[in-house]
Amino acid sequence: QTVVTQEPSLTVSPGGTVTLTCASSTGAVTSGNSPNWFQQKPGQAPRALIYSTSIKHSWTPARFSGSLLGGKAALTLSGVQPEDEAEYYCLLYYGGGQPVGVFGGGTKVTVL
Amino acid sequence: QVQLQESGPGLVKPSETLSLTCTVSGYSISSGYYWGWIRQPPEKGLEWIGTIYHSGSTYYSPVLKSRVTISVDTSKNQFSLKLRSVTAADTAVYYCARVSGGSYRADFWGQGTLVTVSS
Repeated sequence: QTVVTQEPSLTVSPGGTVTLTCASSTGAVTSGNSPNWFQQKPGQAPRALIYSTSIKHSWTPARFSGSLLGGKAALTLSGVQPEDEAEYYCLLYYGGGQPVGVFGGGTKVTVL
Repeated sequence: QVQLQESGPGLVKPSETLSLTCTVSGYSISSGYYWGWIRQPPEKGLEWIGTIYHSGSTYYSPVLKSRVTISVDTSKNQFSLKLRSVTAADTAVYYCARVSGGSYRADFWGQGTLVTVSS
């Protein structure tokens, strides 16, 4: 069974920068895994932020960016705002053409 | 604006079948896209359950494949989830979502519905 791993928690100061990563047990994450990133706040449904590694949705603030970094998918938050405190999940796809993804365990980002 | 809304019983007995429906508004299911179900146990992470195409083709998580059936009713603009032989481990918030082809972006989600498995 494929496992997708994220940092359990990260802390960042307001105005700072933080990078979250997303690793795959099958090896390097590539654009073929179509990495997606989601933000979830308590009591709310996940909100889509990034798809296809680095493409922002129309509602995604400019301070969020996605990339591939050292064989992992990465989400960077620049100029962090207090409202960015949330759980962040990555989603990877496998199996060529199969629209069934595997989520990472989530990263809790604390703004302190 | 595309909107999705989950509905169904909030309480299911162990060994029975969990049944949920997702009603889509603002977009016709028959126009395309994949439609997925995702769940989240209390205080835990997200888990993909399965996906259906508007044509009826289905794709399931290998972990749940033996117990899951997803179907679509284009006349009602709805798609549904059935999960058989449930246990307490199936207690979760269940979400439905729209998934694009190609880029597989899961852009629009429902608000989620909590299903508790208990006698």
